[in-house]
Amino acid sequence: DIQMTQSPSSLSASVGDRVTITCRASQSISSYLNWYQQKPGKAPKLLIYAASSLQSGVPSRFSGSGSGTDFTLTISSLQPEDFATYYCQQSYSTRLTFGQGTRLEIK
Amino acid sequence: EVQLVESGGGLVQPGRSLRLSCTASGFTFGDYAMSWFRQAPGKGLEWVGFIRSKAYGGTTEYAASVKGRFTISRDDSKSIAYLQMNSLKTEDTAVYYCTREKTYRAFDIWGQGTMVTVSS
Repeated sequence: DIQMTQSPSSLSASVGDRVTITCRASQSISSYLNWYQQKPGKAPKLLIYAASSLQSGVPSRFSGSGSGTDFTLTISSLQPEDFATYYCQQSYSTRLTFGQGTRLEIK
Repeated sequence: EVQLVESGGGLVQPGRSLRLSCTASGFTFGDYAMSWFRQAPGKGLEWVGFIRSKAYGGTTEYAASVKGRFTISRDDSKSIAYLQMNSLKTEDTAVYYCTREKTYRAFDIWGQGTMVTVSS
């Protein structure tokens, strides 16, 4: 299976900060990379698909980039509702895999 | 409103079976592949398996951890996807989510999740 590694595992930031989360694949996955946000007790929410396409209804402060093995999720100006856990997911292989998650906390 | 609602979770003993249902509304269910994911308490997300739409053969794929024990099926006339779980193990304890698959195998609609606890 393709291994997905996110960094950092946790991150403390303040409202208004610019934040970047990295996801690395164990092999090239082209642009088959999706990002999700999950809040406690809730289902994940799709933010970015195909590495850089913004899901409908998601604020434009979220953006994604990368291809091959290295990807980033950027939040340009953190809002209070953005404190959550973020997961990357590869869809290159039939057997889908996720990163371990990045917990974004309020500083 | 586009919606998925899971049901059928609960407490079950190791070795027993359980069937989860995922009822869809607000979209043409038969046009979409449907996937199941799970999340053990305090852990990350794990893909369980998926079923393709009938247009793509309605075939299934599974994670290695559940292959041979779990079966996904669908009833397009009722807009329901099922996850039949047999020979359950304590490590199958998790919240189970069903999802709708969109392009690039991204999952844009998720159910609220149903908790499955495998314990004696």
